[in-house]
Amino acid sequence: KNEVEQSPQNLTAQEGEFITINCSYSVGISALHWLQQHPGGGIVSLFMLSSGKKKHGRLIATINIQEKHSSLHITASHPRDSAVYICAVGGSQGNLIFGKGTKLSVKP
Amino acid sequence: ETGVTQSPTHLIKTRGQQVTLRCSSQSGHNTVSWYQQALGQGPQFIFQYYREEENGRGNFPPRFSGLQFPNYSSELNVNALELDDSALYLCASSLDSLSGYTFGSGTRLTVV
Repeated sequence: KNEVEQSPQNLTAQEGEFITINCSYSVGISALHWLQQHPGGGIVSLFMLSSGKKKHGRLIATINIQEKHSSLHITASHPRDSAVYICAVGGSQGNLIFGKGTKLSVKP
Repeated sequence: ETGVTQSPTHLIKTRGQQVTLRCSSQSGHNTVSWYQQALGQGPQFIFQYYREEENGRGNFPPRFSGLQFPNYSSELNVNALELDDSALYLCASSLDSLSGYTFGSGTRLTVV
């Protein structure tokens, strides 16, 4: 079993839909990261959180430490949101342990 | 402030050859981590350097080695390349594990 599990693996949505991506982890963490990766490969950090909820524009990230679960929500989705969204947690060596990612495609 | 720059962006090598990938960290960041991302997978931790010393390593063989320089830029060296080494190699810099990470755009290595 992977230490970081994401669901769904693939997600197709219509423009304007509300989107939720889930992440569960099995290790103790200092922080959880949500990242966005575009087809070219570059990764952009969206959120780093250790408790509660954070919001940036149309993106919202929540975490439940007791349940070891986090969600990334996108409100009013847009085709430009199409990307791979990756959940990662802080490892014991100061590294990140990544999930496999959720490929999101938003259709106009 | 500049971000993280990786070079080259793409590279094709022959099995058995050696390769060096380079990473310039974000200004002020003293920690650099390297990750290997195979197609369709999440990135896997190779190693991390802090102030020129390796201070963490993932499950990669010794033919994967690295360096960090006084200006905190870094190199990843891979000897005796194998076909399975074909992947996107990502570099990430940070000030510390509590400050978040800045990623480069990656180097796509193809071994033929």
